Amino acid sequence: GAVVSQHPSRVICKSGTSVKIECRSLDFQATTMFWYRQFPKKSLMLMATSNEGSKATYEQGVEKDKFLINHASLTLSTLTVTSAHPEDSSFYICSASVPSEQYFGPGTRLTVT
Amino acid sequence: GENVEQHPSTLSVQEGDSAVIKCTYSDSASNYFPWYKQELGKGPQLIIDIRSNVGEKKDQRIAVTLNKTAKHFSLHITETQPEDSAVYFCGVLTGGGNKLTFGTGTQLKVEL
Repeated sequence: GAVVSQHPSRVICKSGTSVKIECRSLDFQATTMFWYRQFPKKSLMLMATSNEGSKATYEQGVEKDKFLINHASLTLSTLTVTSAHPEDSSFYICSASVPSEQYFGPGTRLTVT
Repeated sequence: GENVEQHPSTLSVQEGDSAVIKCTYSDSASNYFPWYKQELGKGPQLIIDIRSNVGEKKDQRIAVTLNKTAKHFSLHITETQPEDSAVYFCGVLTGGGNKLTFGTGTQLKVEL
């Protein structure tokens, strides 16, 4: 149980384009999902907290207009990186809360060329 | 806010030996302490967790101990195997919140 999937696992896009990453809880409903960014050999950096049916709460320093988060259902949250730049290249990981335990997706490797 | 420190940053052990990773936290209201294992290129996997009303929890070769007074908790892996090699992160959930604060990670290498 408590399986979280992410799609795509890897994506390469050109500068200026937008990329959407999906996060799904497969066998449970998650009222809260989290989006993290992880740099090589670093810990997880929380970007935003996403609650179903409401606006996401962004951490300080994270641009909400650049990283659009939608949590339309109890099993799906999406992160859209708009107007991507090479510095947005990173490993993006989502997690779903049940309610205090967090289960992570496998991550999405984004490369912006 | 919560401050979590994790030590050591790297740990190398011989196969069959034990490994211990320790995390300290600052907020005495913290009440949930998970440990995650992350293999290269993958997302973190919850391997064991403990709540503030328990002092120790064990699951086969993995155990976690919690000292609330001293505000630290530790991950213990016995009879280590090469497949235990990974990065391990501790997490701390502060009471009343739903956000985890993570430690900086420990790169564990189990050598044959």
